[in-house]
Amino acid sequence: EILLEESGGALVQPGGSLRLSCAASGFTFGDYGMNWVRQAPGEGVAWVSHIGGGGVDTYYADSVRGRFTISRDNSKNTLYLLMTSLRPEDTALYYCVKDYVPRNGVFDAFDVWGQGTMVTVSS
Amino acid sequence: LVLTQSPGTLSLSPGESATLSCRASQSVSSNFLAWYQQKPGQAPRLLIYGASSRATGIPDRFSGSGSGTDFTLTISRLEPEDFAVYYCQRYGYSLPYSFGQGTKLDIK
Repeated sequence: EILLEESGGALVQPGGSLRLSCAASGFTFGDYGMNWVRQAPGEGVAWVSHIGGGGVDTYYADSVRGRFTISRDNSKNTLYLLMTSLRPEDTALYYCVKDYVPRNGVFDAFDVWGQGTMVTVSS
Repeated sequence: LVLTQSPGTLSLSPGESATLSCRASQSVSSNFLAWYQQKPGQAPRLLIYGASSRATGIPDRFSGSGSGTDFTLTISRLEPEDFAVYYCQRYGYSLPYSFGQGTKLDIK
């Protein structure tokens, strides 16, 4: 069974930093692109960041570029999201999400989602 | 690319059929359009990819269709567990990924 388990969410003050982690199991982690997707309370879902299977290629939504950094450790089957300069509008449930199939040149649909970790940015 | 879903809320009874629409502001290449279902307190679940292919384990009462800028998710013979929020998503050769704002399917 493929599992994704996020951790690291917390209450943090505006301007603060936080690192989220996602432990993956049940598949060959390094073969797949991975993503972070967030959902603000009562709102829809929004893509945050993508990283290729090798960990070299990274991409960000405009709203977080320059503040968030995605990374992965394939030896530990773990995905990370380092969030800095946090703003109240970053308050959301953050999901770790797996690409559906490993394909070069395609940013694929998302077939496995974790249960999410809550980040609250408030003074 | 902006995805607009309609209606915002759809109220139907079990046994009826539901038709959900997703319209893109520009053509979606290679029909890279997916549909997700989200129930309260749960993560979204992939239903349809490639506009019309069902993901693993998805019942055949869920079907997707469309191309270009207009896509449809049809749910026939609604079951009580089908009442949820549904999102469409554009994926493919470029970023950012786009999601629609969602359609809430309510029990009438």
